[in-house]
Amino acid sequence: AQSVAQPEDQVNVAEGNPLTVKCTYSVSGNPYLFWYVQYPNRGLQFLLKYITGDNLVKGSYGFEAEFNKSQTSFHLKKPSALVSDSALYFCAVREAGSSNTGKLIFGQGTTLQVKP
Amino acid sequence: EAGVAQSPRYKIIEKRQSVAFWCNPISGHATLYWYQQILGQGPKLLIQFQNNGVVDDSQLPKDRFSAERLKGVDSTLKIQPAKLEDSAVYLCATTGTGVSYEQYFGPGTRLTVT
Repeated sequence: AQSVAQPEDQVNVAEGNPLTVKCTYSVSGNPYLFWYVQYPNRGLQFLLKYITGDNLVKGSYGFEAEFNKSQTSFHLKKPSALVSDSALYFCAVREAGSSNTGKLIFGQGTTLQVKP
Repeated sequence: EAGVAQSPRYKIIEKRQSVAFWCNPISGHATLYWYQQILGQGPKLLIQFQNNGVVDDSQLPKDRFSAERLKGVDSTLKIQPAKLEDSAVYLCATTGTGVSYEQYFGPGTRLTVT
């Protein structure tokens, strides 16, 4: 069965410092991986995805993520955090392949708090 | 392009009452998903439509939840009768027909069952 783990409920960083939000996944085949961000009282907003190719993917608002197949991880990173990055972040996975319905499996979310 | 629209944004009902949520997808998006997001958890898929057909409803509590997507555009999700544990945010998401894979989410409907 597919699953996603986000081991940290909350990550605290100071503005200007680099940030990392961790994600590990489990699928039986090749994964498609996603990061979404959720601001209060808003829906989920797509940040970036890994489908195939370069393991380092770049997304919106300066975020990037590195796909590591051997460690089954897809950590979200940003070189310099902003206070406005404070939000709830979700990692999600779906299994590649034509038989897959496209259903996303989400982690439980990590709250990012960036302090001035 | 306009995003995914949902209404109402908030709803408070008593247990055993019924409630309905509405979703209008991005124009041309054939695949539509309904997710339930309980506080402190990630979204969980309830049902997926491809045009007006159901692709996956394995996680839908069919004794009380129902959903339809008439004409392959708008969709409604209904709960009857509601239970306290149905309190959650109900998110609608859609995907285009290309190979973009990402899902586009609406703002959600926050349901409180008292």
